[in-house]
Amino acid sequence: GAGVSQSPRYKVTKRGQDVALRCDPISGHVSLYWYRQALGQGPEFLTYFNYEAQQDKSGLPNDRFSAERPEGSISTLTIQRTEQRDSAMYRCASSLVGPGQGVPSTGELFFGEGSRLTVL
Amino acid sequence: AQSVTQLDSHVSVSEGTPVLLRCNYSSSYSPSLFWYVQHPNKGLQLLLKYTSAATLVKGINGFEAEFKKSETSFHLTKPSAHMSDAAEYFCVVSEGGSQGNLIFGKGTKLSVKP
Repeated sequence: GAGVSQSPRYKVTKRGQDVALRCDPISGHVSLYWYRQALGQGPEFLTYFNYEAQQDKSGLPNDRFSAERPEGSISTLTIQRTEQRDSAMYRCASSLVGPGQGVPSTGELFFGEGSRLTVL
Repeated sequence: AQSVTQLDSHVSVSEGTPVLLRCNYSSSYSPSLFWYVQHPNKGLQLLLKYTSAATLVKGINGFEAEFKKSETSFHLTKPSAHMSDAAEYFCVVSEGGSQGNLIFGKGTKLSVKP
């Protein structure tokens, strides 16, 4: 498709289960970002990749959260042993170029519609 | 450390009247500043960006913002609101460079009354 695609759009899971959220960026986009947005808040940075390399994971809240982008395209954000406080909208974004690519980041990120996670 | 403060969580205007959404930022370096808009059940979309060129920045849909370093502000304005402008607006700061992340404000929900 033409835009950033995320799946599933909605996920309801029980506490303690693992979940995997998928992001398919715009074709050819170098950089891919994961954000988390709690109700009534702005998105908060989790991690980002240039190609397959994870450049910054400082926003991941703890070691239950991990992300990968093995072939430099699709990315998966995995949350192990989910807790109720993990409930949020998880947003993926991509950009044509990004930090560390030899050009300044333009800041123009293209966002998907998000994956809403509810942990019961 | 960089941060963004959106001064109003909710703004309500009548159609055809001006829009003002306020944003103040804090940054140790020369920041890049952005406004993103989020319509219901849609992804975030870039409205406009400031990256140290002209201080008055024009964006899509008639919106513009002025970077005022002395006031550390980057307020978003539009001369005449349209019903389709009803959405949530986020002010965003980035220090660029080697950092990969954008810092979002908490958002301002804009309502437009007929």
